[in-house]
Amino acid sequence: GAGVSQTPSNKVTEKGKYVELRCDPISGHTALYWYRQSLGQGPEFLIYFQGTGAADDSGLPNDRFFAVRPEGSVSTLKIQRTERGDSAVYLCASSLAGLDQETQYFGPGTRLLVL
Amino acid sequence: AQSVTQPDIHITVSEGASLELRCNYSYGATPYLFWYVQSPGQGLQLLLKYFSGDTLVQGIKGFEAEFKRSQSSFNLRKPSVHWSDAAEYFCAVGAQGSYIPTFGRGTSLIVHP
Repeated sequence: GAGVSQTPSNKVTEKGKYVELRCDPISGHTALYWYRQSLGQGPEFLIYFQGTGAADDSGLPNDRFFAVRPEGSVSTLKIQRTERGDSAVYLCASSLAGLDQETQYFGPGTRLLVL
Repeated sequence: AQSVTQPDIHITVSEGASLELRCNYSYGATPYLFWYVQSPGQGLQLLLKYFSGDTLVQGIKGFEAEFKRSQSSFNLRKPSVHWSDAAEYFCAVGAQGSYIPTFGRGTSLIVHP
């Protein structure tokens, strides 16, 4: 079946603008994760959804970042008043039920550049 | 909290040569350990994982890794590298009951023909 998809693949915006990044998880996966990967670094956890609710948002860096998953499938990561430091690749992953031994399946990411 | 160190930023090998990528972790209990590969423009793909049992773990694409508790290591190995193995490799550590692994900064593998 289809894997995790993310749109857009690239996004260029200006400092201070608002952006939305979309993630389509694997069908039937209840757990969805957002990570941020800065240049030369590994992915860093942002937020985890179990169904429609954010079960853990401890990785969100500040209140400019927000994510939703209203129907328990597609998720949108929203960044307000973007800053140059927000430039990174934003990765989405999904897993079947969110258990600790499950494999997380990653999407190709959205590369965000804030000018 | 757990942490991961991948001491090598870049590794260069010749095609057909053997490969070992190093990973050291810090965690108080028995960790969950993972190796992922990321090719350009692609998402991370799980190569293998260790939770318990046999300390030598076999993965996809001919990779294996060995968990050594005494050395806090989980090094990734492959006996003969192919040009298509050129990619970024990430080691990650998780904990029982936690769904969020902590990733290392990655090792970039360059394969010479």
